Amino acid sequence: GQQVMQIPQYQHVQEGEDFTTYCNSSTTLSNIQWYKQRPGGHPVFLIQLVKSGEVKKQKRLTFQFGEAKKNSSLHITATQTTDVGTYFCAVNTGGFKTIFGAGTRLFVKA
Amino acid sequence: DVKVTQSSRYLVKRTGEKVFLECVQDMDHENMFWYRQDPGLGLRLIYFSYDVKMKEKGDIPEGYSVSREKKERFSLILESASTNQTSMYLCATYTGGDGYTFGSGTRLTVV
Repeated sequence: GQQVMQIPQYQHVQEGEDFTTYCNSSTTLSNIQWYKQRPGGHPVFLIQLVKSGEVKKQKRLTFQFGEAKKNSSLHITATQTTDVGTYFCAVNTGGFKTIFGAGTRLFVKA
Repeated sequence: DVKVTQSSRYLVKRTGEKVFLECVQDMDHENMFWYRQDPGLGLRLIYFSYDVKMKEKGDIPEGYSVSREKKERFSLILESASTNQTSMYLCATYTGGDGYTFGSGTRLTVV
């Protein structure tokens, strides 16, 4: 079945450093979504990407969808302690079914 | 904003008990979902419902059932709780462009 690989599993950064997480699929995706889950919290929807090569920004967060629509990335510029949490990608596999990546847990040291 | 409310934040139940997890949404969303989240395994779909009285099995339905008698309410039932059902349970609704809206989760411990 379809799988989604998300790397890295963990990332420790110093506050102010940049951070990137990647999501890769073996098959072409119709769209991809990104979520953030704070420690002790629940996943919160960040964004959906649909078009090949699409780039969207939300303040310090930049989301990209690959040209082949098989991969995506989330980049955070100049991390802050409020960025701590786990970032998940999610892909629709048809109908109402979605596969979530395993997530990248971000630790930010002040 | 859509609000998804799960009735309990923490639950402790005994092995063999029948457990009900309740979820209510305050918008008129058709689709509701139950996921469980476990370290290293991520989010896995248990059941979903796209209309009242309609239900579909997800990836891990064994040991669970669901009920959707009203549009706003979607209940997850553990017929006979077992220790391997200790987990975080997340209810969600879904709209295509706005993704999933999750409830705060119920952390269930089966002892």
